[in-house]
Amino acid sequence: DVKVTQSSRYLVKRTGEKVFLECVQDMDHENMFWYRQDPGLGLRLIYFSYDVKMKEKGDIPEGYSVSREKKERFSLILESASTNQTSMYLCAAQGQGHGYTFGSGTRLTVV
Amino acid sequence: QQQVKQSPQSLIVQKGGISIINCAYENTAFDYFPWYQQFPGKGPALLIAIRPDVSEKKEGRFTISFNKSAKQFSLHIMDSQPGDSATYFCAASTNTGGFKTIFGAGTRLFVKA
Repeated sequence: DVKVTQSSRYLVKRTGEKVFLECVQDMDHENMFWYRQDPGLGLRLIYFSYDVKMKEKGDIPEGYSVSREKKERFSLILESASTNQTSMYLCAAQGQGHGYTFGSGTRLTVV
Repeated sequence: QQQVKQSPQSLIVQKGGISIINCAYENTAFDYFPWYQQFPGKGPALLIAIRPDVSEKKEGRFTISFNKSAKQFSLHIMDSQPGDSATYFCAASTNTGGFKTIFGAGTRLFVKA
């Protein structure tokens, strides 16, 4: 089974800080995704990547950037954290023709 | 065209009963329809999935029914148990014209003991 590991379960950051959320998968999957999940809004796609150094904007990319320097690692960066970025962040990996494997999530609070 | 509409938003079922969650899609290019189960504090986990060339898929107590002409699919949980209490998401995806997955808004299921 594919495992997707997110580096932190809980994070508390201050407004204006640069925040890095790390995600690592242990299979050779091409596609990786970052979602945020908020009550009543479901899962919203922030960015995805289909190969090393490749990235595509999702539905809500503003205020975020991503980095994929190695196939197994996909990082989400909040350039200057704001309180409206307080959320649950979910990373996922997907092989061709298969469903997603999600990480356990990072609950980020920006104060 | 890109929406996946999921209903109901929340559902309370008696232990041993059948839980039914429905989803409808619009884009006929979708060719993979998974269901995810999410427990509080955890990421969603793939539960069961179907492709449009079959009308039903069963795995244990979980069954997907798929109606291609109506562009609808549903999850049935037979003999629902308190341990099934979770949030369920349907999704639809395609690789046609660029990769795309659309999630439903989720259904919060509570199974009463």
